[in-house]
Amino acid sequence: QKEVEQNSGPLSVPEGAIASLNCTYSDRVSQSFFWYRQYSGKSPELIMSIYSNGDKEDGRFTAQLNKASQYVSLLIRDSQPSDSATYLCAVNDKKVGGTSYGKLTFGQGTILTVHP
Amino acid sequence: DAGVTQSPTHLIKTRGQQVTLRCSPKSGHDTVSWYQQALGQGPQFIFQYYEEEERQRGNFPDRFSGHQFPNYSSELNVNALLLGDSALYLCASSSPGRGRVTQYFGPGTRLTVL
Repeated sequence: QKEVEQNSGPLSVPEGAIASLNCTYSDRVSQSFFWYRQYSGKSPELIMSIYSNGDKEDGRFTAQLNKASQYVSLLIRDSQPSDSATYLCAVNDKKVGGTSYGKLTFGQGTILTVHP
Repeated sequence: DAGVTQSPTHLIKTRGQQVTLRCSPKSGHDTVSWYQQALGQGPQFIFQYYEEEERQRGNFPDRFSGHQFPNYSSELNVNALLLGDSALYLCASSSPGRGRVTQYFGPGTRLTVL
């Protein structure tokens, strides 16, 4: 089993629709979760971080975390063509004692296409 | 406030050669991590440097080595290049913290091995 798995893409949604991106992780002690957006040929750009169970909203983006199910998702409301990119789910390792060194384990990414 | 910078942007090498990639962290950050991203894959952790020492290492061979300087900048060295080393190499910087460490990525170096 891969440490971080994302729903297979590509995902295509019409402009204005809700795009739903999903991610599961295997390490139960993981504490920090991130969504990065990566445009073709560019580096990953942080768009959301979430640490506690529940929802976290930032503009058109909502991250959802369920630690019991080891599941994290990203919803993009009112999708725009400029949202077309690869979305990477990343999980931060957690050391015994609470100190995190920040090593990220990424999923393989989901390609999202928003068509007009 | 400068973000993470990397050089060079692109690099073409031949098999067996050696390469050095450079990274300057975001202002205020003292930890540098390196990732390799093959085409169509998520980034893979290579190693992390803090206080001029390698603190964590991913599943990469010893051909991959690094260094961190007193000003927190870092280098990634790859010896005896293989075709499979062709990838986007990403540097990320962060500050150490308990539990909530956020990494910010530089623009990357595209390495092509012929």
